[in-house]
Amino acid sequence: QQQVKQSPQSLIVQKGGISIINCAYENTAFDYFPWYQQFPGKGPALLIAIRPDVSEKKEGRFTISFNKSAKQFSLHIMDSQPGDSATYFCAASGQAGTALIFGKGTTLSVSS
Amino acid sequence: ETGVTQTPRHLVMGMTNKKSLKCEQHLGHNAMYWYKQSAKKPLELMFVYNFKEQTENNSVPSRFSPECPNSSHLFLHLHTLQPEDSALYLCASSQLSTGSSPLHFGNGTRLTVT
Repeated sequence: QQQVKQSPQSLIVQKGGISIINCAYENTAFDYFPWYQQFPGKGPALLIAIRPDVSEKKEGRFTISFNKSAKQFSLHIMDSQPGDSATYFCAASGQAGTALIFGKGTTLSVSS
Repeated sequence: ETGVTQTPRHLVMGMTNKKSLKCEQHLGHNAMYWYKQSAKKPLELMFVYNFKEQTENNSVPSRFSPECPNSSHLFLHLHTLQPEDSALYLCASSQLSTGSSPLHFGNGTRLTVT
């Protein structure tokens, strides 16, 4: 019940295309859903986050779509660029002070 | 100075060695974490310190021993490790308040146990 399942494991997208990464969770107590981006040799960095009171959040080319009834959320990267090539992790947590549970990660490669 | 600094960046140690990983955060946060990152596995939470007090220990083997002398510094003491402990060890910090707070990660220590 504490797992966050992420797919696909890897993704190859052409420059200018849309990258979509999906995550699913089971614990209905989760109320915070961030996405982290990690480049080789670096630690993960917060990209964008959403709470279940909204169904979508957009920041630049990055959008989170959230489906509370299906317990799923996804990251959409519009107009994907080679600089977006990285590993992306979804995560979830419950009340303040509880630790984040991470998905296994998706390695995105954007070809130029 | 970056927000969360980890040293060393790389560490190779034998199974009988004793070494320590160091983490320092310059963000004024009140919580610090150790995560283990292995290939094709989710980030695994190892330890959580909230206001210097350990609040979570996810069944981590005793060969890993954390220490948090103050809210800005966190150590992970290593002894008698196994080859399967080879991984990237990430330190993170956050500001715990009334809502969930984003984690700020360091760049990790790449540990190889020979």
